[in-house]
Amino acid sequence: AQSVTQPDIHITVSEGASLELRCNYSYGATPYLFWYVQSPGQGLQLLLKYFSGDTLVQGIKGFEAEFKRSQSSFNLRKPSVHWSDAAEYFCAVGLTSGTYKYIFGTGTRLKVLA
Amino acid sequence: DTGVSQDPRHKITKRGQNVTFRCDPISEHNRLYWYRQTLGQGPEFLTYFQNEAQLEKSRLLSDRFSAERPKGSFSTLEIQRTEQGDSAMYLCASSRQGAGNTIYFGEGSWLTVV
Repeated sequence: AQSVTQPDIHITVSEGASLELRCNYSYGATPYLFWYVQSPGQGLQLLLKYFSGDTLVQGIKGFEAEFKRSQSSFNLRKPSVHWSDAAEYFCAVGLTSGTYKYIFGTGTRLKVLA
Repeated sequence: DTGVSQDPRHKITKRGQNVTFRCDPISEHNRLYWYRQTLGQGPEFLTYFQNEAQLEKSRLLSDRFSAERPKGSFSTLEIQRTEQGDSAMYLCASSRQGAGNTIYFGEGSWLTVV
């Protein structure tokens, strides 16, 4: 069965520090991969997506993610975190056939220290 | 695109009452999804429509839940005899037919059962 694991429930970083959020997936083929951000009480905003091709994907707000097939990972990175990045981050696997639905991880809550 | 629209955005209801949420997908998007998100969790898939046909339902969708998409346009999600455990955000999403098409999420409908 398909699944997504985000091993870190909470992460705290200082403003200006680098950030890496981990995501591991289980899927029988090369999946579609996504990172979303959600502020409290808000909907999901797409940060970036991977369908195929270059394994390093650039997204909005200075985020990037790297698909590593050998590690079944799709970690999200940002070189310098801003206080406004504090939010919950979700990694998702998209099925590549059938319903094409997304399966989400449980999320990582990011806290940014001034 | 005007985005996925959901109504109401917030609903407080007493236990045992019925509630209905409406979703208007992006025009010409024939795929429609409902997800549920509880506090501290990632969105969980509930059901999927392709045009007017409901093609997949999660085991999370108990008999008290019913979803429709008449004429393949807007969709409704009804919860009968609400329970406190139904308190969650209900997210609607849509996408176009075809592989590799991004799913777009609405802002969600918050349900609080008191």
